[in-house]
Amino acid sequence: NAGVTQTPKFRILKIGQSMTLQCTQDMNHNYMYWYRQDPGMGLKLIYYSVGAGITDKGEVPNGYNVSRSTTEDFPLRLELAAPSQTSVYFCASSYLGGFGNTIYFGEGSWLTVV
Amino acid sequence: AQSVAQPEDQVNVAEGNPLTVKCTYSVSGNPYLFWYVQYPNRGLQFLLKYITGDNLVKGSYGFEAEFNKSQTSFHLKKPSALVSDSALYFCAVRDYGQNFVFGPGTRLSVLP
Repeated sequence: NAGVTQTPKFRILKIGQSMTLQCTQDMNHNYMYWYRQDPGMGLKLIYYSVGAGITDKGEVPNGYNVSRSTTEDFPLRLELAAPSQTSVYFCASSYLGGFGNTIYFGEGSWLTVV
Repeated sequence: AQSVAQPEDQVNVAEGNPLTVKCTYSVSGNPYLFWYVQYPNRGLQFLLKYITGDNLVKGSYGFEAEFNKSQTSFHLKKPSALVSDSALYFCAVRDYGQNFVFGPGTRLSVLP
């Protein structure tokens, strides 16, 4: 059982470039999330999805886009990369329904924009 | 809005001593509280959660947490710390939108 898988693990981007962080989960979870983690700042929610075809903004959505065409996949798109987007990105998933459901995280994607 | 505070950026304890990592929360309605641990260059791993019932919750790796409604706290504890417990610990609360709100994290260092 792979859980939540993110690629790439590390990436260096130049300012103005675009890229997509891939995320897939094999637990048939309804909910999927993208967080960013900045040093000493904890995790900030970028976007989330409650199921295929449904996405919504989190706390820090500017500069990012997402799509959810299948239950398994939830890619995060960075358009026109900026140094402020240098961060560690985590994809996560959980079951819909029941506030006690646990959230499962991927291993993270380290992104540097130079 | 739900929020979580972890008042200590860093906690240092000697190996074999008890450890406590503090968390306080603010929610409207019933709290659904979680603790996660993050080892270097890894994703967050689930430790334990409080949904309802006993105020003392037991979790993975010998950790436990005590829910205190009157003090709105959910402190993480372990009777005897190990060097391998050194990591970043996050407290989280689940809001009515079913999203998780995380605290800023507390770095635990267990000294040999």
